[in-house]
Amino acid sequence: KAGVTQTPRYLIKTRGQQVTLSCSPISGHRSVSWYQQTPGQGLQFLFEYFSETQRNKGNFPGRFSGRQFSNSRSEMNVSTLELGDSALYLCASSLVAGGDYEQYFGPGTRLTVT
Amino acid sequence: GENVEQHPSTLSVQEGDSAVIKCTYSDSASNYFPWYKQELGKRPQLIIDIRSNVGEKKDQRIAVTLNKTAKHFSLHITETQPEDSAVYFCAASLPARQLTFGSGTQLTVLP
Repeated sequence: KAGVTQTPRYLIKTRGQQVTLSCSPISGHRSVSWYQQTPGQGLQFLFEYFSETQRNKGNFPGRFSGRQFSNSRSEMNVSTLELGDSALYLCASSLVAGGDYEQYFGPGTRLTVT
Repeated sequence: GENVEQHPSTLSVQEGDSAVIKCTYSDSASNYFPWYKQELGKRPQLIIDIRSNVGEKKDQRIAVTLNKTAKHFSLHITETQPEDSAVYFCAASLPARQLTFGSGTQLTVLP
């Protein structure tokens, strides 16, 4: 089976712009979770989608949003980018909803905000 | 919500020695505890996990132990090799909730 894929792999944006990241889960996986990874804050949970519904949400401002399509692919959007949004954004897919089941990560999208 | 603390932040061992990384969690209702290995520039990879109804799990040179009373769990790597060098993350999850990660341990295996 193909693994989790994310596009684009690298992105450079300017403050105030918005960005959309994409994640394609492992075939058959219906849950997609998004994480932000930074050197200072580690891996922080953004949100989880299962069957096109947001199930869990982390402590991030409303500028961070996401959605999931009927084929389980997911996108996350960050509006009004700030310098502090520079990070590696990882998605992870799982067969079932919730963090208490095996999650498999994609390679991430490296976002740099200038 | 859940809070996970991980120690040490850095660990250096000689090749062939054992390495132990420890994590504590705050919510006694947490039921799932995975460990991830992340090599430089790569994605986190699930290496072993344990559920709250199990006290210990082993997979070749890697083992995880769980002490529910003390709310801590540990990763044990025996006969370490240079390719074990990476950042290791522990995590914990409440039932049907999100994973909460520890801050990571940079393991360096010295040849």
